[in-house]
Amino acid sequence: QSVLTQPPSASGTPGQRVTISCSGSNSNIGSNTVNWYQQLPGTAPKLLISSNDQRPSGVPDRFSGSKSGTSASLAISGLQSEDEADYYCAAWDDRLNGFCVFGTGTKVTVL
Amino acid sequence: QMQLQESGPGLVKPSETLSLTCGVSGYSISNAYHWGWVRQPPGKGLEWVGSVYHTGSTYYSPSLKSRVTISLDTSKNNFSLKLSSVTAADTAVYYCARVIHSSAWKLYYFDYWGQGILVTVSS
Repeated sequence: QSVLTQPPSASGTPGQRVTISCSGSNSNIGSNTVNWYQQLPGTAPKLLISSNDQRPSGVPDRFSGSKSGTSASLAISGLQSEDEADYYCAAWDDRLNGFCVFGTGTKVTVL
Repeated sequence: QMQLQESGPGLVKPSETLSLTCGVSGYSISNAYHWGWVRQPPGKGLEWVGSVYHTGSTYYSPSLKSRVTISLDTSKNNFSLKLSSVTAADTAVYYCARVIHSSAWKLYYFDYWGQGILVTVSS
């Protein structure tokens, strides 16, 4: 059961900027770092952003992440056709013994 | 380059135990890191299952805790997932992954993933 809320869909034309939100609570986003994953159709998820705003080696700099309070955002600048994918946020939740929570996922469509 | 590969039965009967193994190449799992599992029901989002530290300590999803066991086999450099009393709701693609975890730095994320294996629960 997802406890991080994302919009189900987002879209833009090539070259546009698209932003995806991720809303959580004090026990997860409010207390821990946020990560983003990209899942291209039929493939395994890929780490896109870690620790709120860090891009792993090989991830284009048109992808950026930010966090404020209990919410986080992923921005895609200069949208490209190959960016059409599902995007998930995730964070650690401090409740109980601790567990990882994923967002509900956002489908990005390039028009 | 480290690689992970899931293996196991693609079909499990209801009420039985789902057993999967994740083989790791290019890195010794006994050295460090957590090693985890994530699943994705067909057409749905990602769900965290749990992870095991290289020392053997574990974290499990609260909703699966009573049925799940994740363990290491350092002699074979792999780790496994067992999920008991499965139902159709456990039908999913199961991914294994390496976990970066630090309580001090508030980190928990998956940096290397396997390709995934579809497990169907059906009689």
